Amino acid sequence: NAGVTQTPKFQVLKTGQSMTLQCAQDMNHNSMYWYRQDPGMGLRLIYYSASEGTTDKGEVPNGYNVSRLNKREFSLRLESAAPSQTSVYFCASTPTGGGNEQFFGPGTRLTVL
Amino acid sequence: GENVEQHPSTLSVQEGDSAVIKCTYSDSASNYFPWYKQELGKGPQLIIDIRSNVGEKKDQRIAVTLNKTAKHFSLHITETQPEDSAVYFCAASRAGSARQLTFGSGTQLTVLP
Repeated sequence: NAGVTQTPKFQVLKTGQSMTLQCAQDMNHNSMYWYRQDPGMGLRLIYYSASEGTTDKGEVPNGYNVSRLNKREFSLRLESAAPSQTSVYFCASTPTGGGNEQFFGPGTRLTVL
Repeated sequence: GENVEQHPSTLSVQEGDSAVIKCTYSDSASNYFPWYKQELGKGPQLIIDIRSNVGEKKDQRIAVTLNKTAKHFSLHITETQPEDSAVYFCAASRAGSARQLTFGSGTQLTVLP
């Protein structure tokens, strides 16, 4: 039982490049989330998926897209990376659609030059 | 939307002393208040949570108190140990199909030996 896994761990992009951050969970959780963490600002919700087949915007969705590929996988895509998207990205999941602990992955550290 | 403020941003205590971190929230409909601990290079991990129908909850050296009237909640760590050194985040959310957490900005706790 690996919990929540994220790939890659580190990534450096040039402005304008695109990439997809991958997240998978093996706990049969319904809800999944993408956060970004910036110094002094805590974690901010980018997008979430309450259940397979649904996605919704969080607090800071601009510049990002998501795909809930199946119950296990939830990916985050940057179509045209900007320096303002330099951050640490965390994926999380929770069972039964809410009301319970969110389990976080180890994070992806992204730098956009 | 919800706004969560967390204080202090940094806290240093001597080993064995107590540490208190305070958070305030703005949305009176919020009913779930978790606390997360984040160690360097890792994702946040839930350490304790409280729901709005409870005023206090304890788990060994950790306790959380909630004042719904004043809309604030606090984390208390007693008999601190060096391994308690980490960043602590409070969060708040309301009930819903997918529990969206709004996080505070974090507190860097350092326990001095």
